[in-house]
Amino acid sequence: SQQGEEDPQALSIQEGENATMNCSYKTSINNLQWYRQNSGRGLVHLILIRSNEREKHSGRLRVTLDTSKKSSSLLITASRAADTASYFCATAPTPDSTLTFGKGTMLLVSP
Amino acid sequence: NAGVTQTPKFQVLKTGQSMTLQCAQDMNHNSMYWYRQDPGMGLRLIYYSASEGTTDKGEVPNGYNVSRLNKREFSLRLESAAPSQTSVYFCASSDLPTGIDEQYFGPGTRLTVT
Repeated sequence: SQQGEEDPQALSIQEGENATMNCSYKTSINNLQWYRQNSGRGLVHLILIRSNEREKHSGRLRVTLDTSKKSSSLLITASRAADTASYFCATAPTPDSTLTFGKGTMLLVSP
Repeated sequence: NAGVTQTPKFQVLKTGQSMTLQCAQDMNHNSMYWYRQDPGMGLRLIYYSASEGTTDKGEVPNGYNVSRLNKREFSLRLESAAPSQTSVYFCASSDLPTGIDEQYFGPGTRLTVT
């Protein structure tokens, strides 16, 4: 069963614009992770944010977590064509739980 | 350092045939996982191995078996393939068990069952 659900399902922007993707989940979490998947490839880990953290940065990526709203957002600033990929959130309700992935947001960045 | 490798990359099976998907990691990770990905879906966990010598069922284990051969290798076996098992299969590994650590993924095996 899908715990996290990304929104929107698809996003199309121009190079240089910012891209924001959201993830909502149903139960309390230990941590939330974001992954990227380029077409035909495996997933690549981007950021892990723990339930007691509100914001994390990594390069052009900014992740926020609002546990009261059970939601997270991934912001990619100054997008590049190479950012074209699907982005998935994954949650672990407890430290003993396995990760549950959402269905993903497909991002298309046009030159 | 190859990370997580999977073989084969592509496979076509007839209904009822069997096959084993191989996965190996060279990062000395304790935990390994098998997922399947279907169009429009996220990844669904088939089986996982939190540590060498242990395996556990995930969300969709029916029709599959696994073997944690050693710390490096984790194989997935389809005993009697069905068209519903047409999917892309990903192996992943992590240092810490379950969901508290980032996972490293292989490139995937694209399986078609006719």
